[in-house]
Amino acid sequence: GNSVTQMEGPVTLSEEAFLTINCTYTATGYPSLFWYVQYPGEGLQLLLKATKADDKGSNKGFEATYRKETTSFHLEKGSVQVSDSAVYFCALAMDTGRRALTFGSGTRLQVQP
Amino acid sequence: NAGVMQNPRHLVRRRGQEARLRCSPMKGHSHVYWYRQLPEEGLKFMVYLQKENIIDESGMPKERFSAEFPKEGPSILRIQQVVRGDSAAYFCASSPMTSASGTDTQYFGPGTRLTVL
Repeated sequence: GNSVTQMEGPVTLSEEAFLTINCTYTATGYPSLFWYVQYPGEGLQLLLKATKADDKGSNKGFEATYRKETTSFHLEKGSVQVSDSAVYFCALAMDTGRRALTFGSGTRLQVQP
Repeated sequence: NAGVMQNPRHLVRRRGQEARLRCSPMKGHSHVYWYRQLPEEGLKFMVYLQKENIIDESGMPKERFSAEFPKEGPSILRIQQVVRGDSAAYFCASSPMTSASGTDTQYFGPGTRLTVL
């Protein structure tokens, strides 16, 4: 079946540090890939997405590139802020058959001033 | 444009009672998904519905859980005879699914946090 593997957290960074959260996937076929962010006590917000190989999703300074050869979708940001502290979820969805999202276990990011 | 609405935001039930969770999708969205998030875990798919149809319930426990999305009104996730292990956050997401193929983005509600005493 399909699966998503994320690096375990928490990831603790100082403000303005560079962020990478690794995400790899296993899927039969060609999924769309997503990053969602969850702030404490809230639901998930879509951060960015990519629907085909070599696509780059970007939003609010975050980027991720769909790498088919390495089955990866790593999240990066050049300079994190305290307000970026949250849990980040990598997810995939297929365009045929089961359309539900398959999530990774989440990575908690803590940014210190 | 209002987002996905869920209510109640917090629900406390005693063991053996029924829990009823409601989800109103975004305007123009006719597809609803329910996910469950256990503490410190990712979200797990439960059920996918369109208006008056259950499309995929492969993630639903076989007993005590049911879902519906009537022609009028919100989608309902019902848990009968709740047990402590049902304590979790339940999230609803909706999508427009404007085409027969392709992946439409799912937009999430704020969740209902169920606590079973």
